[in-house]
Amino acid sequence: SQTIHQWPATLVQPVGSPLSLECTVEGTSNPNLYWYRQAAGRGLQLLFYSVGIGQISSEVPQNLSASRPQDRQFILSSKKLLLSDSGFYLCAWSPRRGGAETQYFGPGTRLLVL
Amino acid sequence: RKEVEQDPGPFNVPEGATVAFNCTYSNSASQSFFWYRQDCRKEPKLLMSVYSSGNEDGRFTAQLNRASQYISLLIRDSKLSDSATYLCVVKGPNYGQNFVFGPGTRLSVLP
Repeated sequence: SQTIHQWPATLVQPVGSPLSLECTVEGTSNPNLYWYRQAAGRGLQLLFYSVGIGQISSEVPQNLSASRPQDRQFILSSKKLLLSDSGFYLCAWSPRRGGAETQYFGPGTRLLVL
Repeated sequence: RKEVEQDPGPFNVPEGATVAFNCTYSNSASQSFFWYRQDCRKEPKLLMSVYSSGNEDGRFTAQLNRASQYISLLIRDSKLSDSATYLCVVKGPNYGQNFVFGPGTRLSVLP
């Protein structure tokens, strides 16, 4: 069966510090991978998605970036965090074949920028 | 107009009640539809897919009306454990590999 891991689970960072969040998927190959952010009490905002190694599409211009160095690894980064970067960051995967296949989420990373 | 809209909520219902959630989507080319539930401070989890003919899973019934671009979720005999936020999700060719999430409707089932 497939599993998706995210770490860390929680993170408190000062404004201006760098960020690196990691997501890995097990039990599947060539997944589509996604990064979302959810601000407190708000809906999900798609940040990045990837259909393959090195292929990243950005949905929202901001000070975040994403990379996919391996097929089942997706990394979210920032060089300098802003207060507005606080939120719940969720990684998700879906099968490459698409169609009616749905999306599965990792446990998330709760980020607080102070 | 937002791509996916849901009842604003919150819904506060007593145990045993029947509750219905509504969702509308703007892209008529949308092909796949889902309901997720999200517990407080947790990740969204798939509740059920929504099929054209409608489908049922225990106390949960999902309906799709493509002509009206409308999706619904009915929960019968509500349990305390049903308290969560329910997210309507749409996927279709115009979104590529992306899923579009509604803002969610929060449900509180009261004892």
